[in-house]
Amino acid sequence: NAGVTQTPKFRVLKTGQSMTLLCAQDMNHEYMYWYRQDPGMGLRLIHYSVGEGTTAKGEVPDGYNVSRLKKQNFLLGLESAAPSQTSVYFCASAKSGTANEKLFFGSGTQLSVL
Amino acid sequence: EDQVTQSPEALRLQEGESSSLNCSYTVSGLRGLFWYRQDPGKGPEFLFTLYSAGEEKEKERLKATLTKKESFLHITAPKPEDSATYLCAVQAYNFNKFYFGSGTKLNVKP
Repeated sequence: NAGVTQTPKFRVLKTGQSMTLLCAQDMNHEYMYWYRQDPGMGLRLIHYSVGEGTTAKGEVPDGYNVSRLKKQNFLLGLESAAPSQTSVYFCASAKSGTANEKLFFGSGTQLSVL
Repeated sequence: EDQVTQSPEALRLQEGESSSLNCSYTVSGLRGLFWYRQDPGKGPEFLFTLYSAGEEKEKERLKATLTKKESFLHITAPKPEDSATYLCAVQAYNFNKFYFGSGTKLNVKP
């Protein structure tokens, strides 16, 4: 019963470094999302995908890139990390994009950019 | 602009002391309102979906209600294990997007 798995769980970067966060789901879900969670601001959508090979921008996409080469995987990349990207990142998936479709979340990645 | 506001930010209750959490929203064409529970160091877990005014859903000590402008999560006789952050989210006309509130952190003391 893996569900949504995120790696790594913790990471510390220096300003300007790059990294990739991996999200994998084993539920054959079509839709996948990347959110960031900051104190007092709730979850904010970075990018999302409605199916293999597709991606779209969310509310706060600047400084991030994503790829969905395989249906089960959704990668979030930071090309040149900045301190403002210190946050907890959550990946989520949904079976489809229909109304009232609940999200399944991973356990998060805590990222610190120094 | 689509927006979700939760109150209070934090709530301390004694075990058995009932209370309510509020989620008010402004969204263009509500498709669904969701409640999630988030424990420290974990991702949110789904609790309820509501999609029409007047609807109510219950699960153990929790009951969620929905009006045209807000939703309430009522907690009856809470226990310490109910301590968590409760998140509200709305799904707007664009099914692809969910807008989340900043959450209410509930602490239930034994």
